Amino acid sequence: DAGVTQSPTHLIKTRGQQVTLRCSPKSGHDTVSWYQQALGQGPQFIFQYYEEEERQRGNFPDRFSGHQFPNYSSELNVNALLLGDSALYLCASSWGEARYEQYFGPGTRLTVT
Amino acid sequence: AQSVSQHNHHVILSEAASLELGCNYSYGGTVNLFWYVQYPGQHLQLLLKYFSGDPLVKGIKGFEAEFIKSKFSFNLRKPSVQWSDTAEYFCAVNGFSGGYNKLIFGAGTRLAVHP
Repeated sequence: DAGVTQSPTHLIKTRGQQVTLRCSPKSGHDTVSWYQQALGQGPQFIFQYYEEEERQRGNFPDRFSGHQFPNYSSELNVNALLLGDSALYLCASSWGEARYEQYFGPGTRLTVT
Repeated sequence: AQSVSQHNHHVILSEAASLELGCNYSYGGTVNLFWYVQYPGQHLQLLLKYFSGDPLVKGIKGFEAEFIKSKFSFNLRKPSVQWSDTAEYFCAVNGFSGGYNKLIFGAGTRLAVHP
């Protein structure tokens, strides 16, 4: 039973560019949440997708957007990258609107230069 | 707004010492509480969780946590730590707000266990 998978593992981008990160949830899970973990901090909630809709959003600007596909996989898009967007981006999956525990993927390390 | 506070940012212990990591949360409604662990080079893993019932919950690897509702606390404990417990520990709260839930994490506690 595959857990949560994310791609790519590492990514280096330049300021102003756009990036797309991908996540496949754990088998049987229908909800995907995205988190940003800056160095030395706890993960910060970005948004959550359930039934292909953004259900809840944290305090992140509109430059951060996402999508959920019919197979429950998800993408996180970040436009107009800033140096401060450098972080580990975590995807977590769960069942039933994240009402219970969330399972985390290994993350994508994004470096913006 | 929901928030989670972890009191210790860095903890250094010798093997066999006892561990207690503090966690306090701010949320007035029903909550689910979690402790996650991040071992060096690995992804976040669930250590234990509290949904309801017995406020003393046991997790993997000998960890336990006690939910004290009156103190809004969910402290993590282990009677005797091992070198392999060296990791970063995160307390998290999932509050039922409008039916859709998100995890609010504390800043984490970095634990180093020396042999």
